[in-house]
Amino acid sequence: KQEVTQIPAALSVPEGENLVLNCSFTDSAIYNLQWFRQDPGKGLTSLLLIQSSQREQTSGRLNASLDKSSGRSTLYIAASQPGDSATYLCAAERSNQFYFGTGTSLTVIP
Amino acid sequence: GAGVSQSPRYKVAKRGQDVALRCDPISGHVSLFWYQQALGQGPEFLTYFQNEAQLDKSGLPSDRFFAERPEGSVSTLKIQRTQQEDSAVYLCASSLNGGPHYGYTFGSGTRLTVV
Repeated sequence: KQEVTQIPAALSVPEGENLVLNCSFTDSAIYNLQWFRQDPGKGLTSLLLIQSSQREQTSGRLNASLDKSSGRSTLYIAASQPGDSATYLCAAERSNQFYFGTGTSLTVIP
Repeated sequence: GAGVSQSPRYKVAKRGQDVALRCDPISGHVSLFWYQQALGQGPEFLTYFQNEAQLDKSGLPSDRFFAERPEGSVSTLKIQRTQQEDSAVYLCASSLNGGPHYGYTFGSGTRLTVV
């Protein structure tokens, strides 16, 4: 069974700092890797989708990379803002199932 | 619709009560998924539909859980004789075609509390 791990579990940074969230997965036979944001009491908002043939995707201040061979993905957030405070989840997809990590809880301090 | 809609947003059930959770996917989305998210955990897969066909129900935790999508659009997740361990957020997601080239859109979830 696919195991997805996210490090760190929680992160607190001052506003304006660049930061990296890490995701690792045990089975490299994935179709894609997706990063989500979850605000307290809310559902999941898709941030970036990296297909298995791709190495990275960018959207605004966010950049996600994928290294299937090593079973790793990173989410880079540039110039963090208080509004970025949320839990960030990565999910590896295979056979119409997402395998989620437990998330990184990010707090950006004004 | 513009997004995936789930109702109710919150549900409190007494232990032993049956509950039904509804999901309205994005119009035209073929694939529909249910996930269960316990407090402090990532979502875990429950079941998957393509149109009205339930293609995978391997994640349903017990035979008290039942999902249907009779007309290939709205789906209902039913939990019979609820137990305290069923307390969680139940998330629904839909995808245009469920394949590896499409992303998924999640709803806001139904928070079920069993007392």
